[in-house]
Amino acid sequence: AQSVTQLDSQVPVFEEAPVELRCNYSSSVSVYLFWYVQYPNQGLQLLLKYLSGSTLVKGINGFEAEFNKSQTSFHLRKPSVHISDTAEYFCAVSDMNRDDKIIFGKGTRLHILP
Amino acid sequence: EAGVTQFPSHSVIEKGQTVTLRCDPISGHDNLYWYRRVMGKEIKFLLHFVKESKQDESGMPNNRFLAERTGGTYSTLKVQPAELEDSGVYFCASSRERGLYGYTFGSGTRLTVV
Repeated sequence: AQSVTQLDSQVPVFEEAPVELRCNYSSSVSVYLFWYVQYPNQGLQLLLKYLSGSTLVKGINGFEAEFNKSQTSFHLRKPSVHISDTAEYFCAVSDMNRDDKIIFGKGTRLHILP
Repeated sequence: EAGVTQFPSHSVIEKGQTVTLRCDPISGHDNLYWYRRVMGKEIKFLLHFVKESKQDESGMPNNRFLAERTGGTYSTLKVQPAELEDSGVYFCASSRERGLYGYTFGSGTRLTVV
């Protein structure tokens, strides 16, 4: 069964510094990959997704992620974070050959330090 | 277009009571999903409706949980009787096409069983 590992439960970063949130998934079969974000007191919002094509995916709010099939990774990056990026970020995967379930990681809380 | 709407946003009930959560998907979205996040753990799939039919209910934890989607529009998730371990955030999501391309989530219902 698919699983998603987010190695860091919390990441503190100074404002305007770069950040990378790490994500690895369990299988090398054909998958779709997602990053969702949950801002305080809000629902889950799709940040970006990889379905096919270019391995570098650009999302909203200046975030991007790179799909690396050989390392089964889909790390999320932003070159310069803002206080408004304070949120919990979830990496997720679905198996394109199976059902519609999306498997989530445990989430990474991004704390922006002034 | 209006997003996925869930209510109530919060519910506090005593152990043994019944609670009904409601989800209104985006209009025209045939696929509706329920997910749950128990404190500190991953967001996990509960079930998937296509219109009014249950496509996959493999994630439903036990028979105290009953989901319905009469008429293929809004959905309800009833927990009867509620137990302490049912506390968590219940998310609803919908999609027009197959959900493995990504869903639109609601803001969630935070259920606390005391």
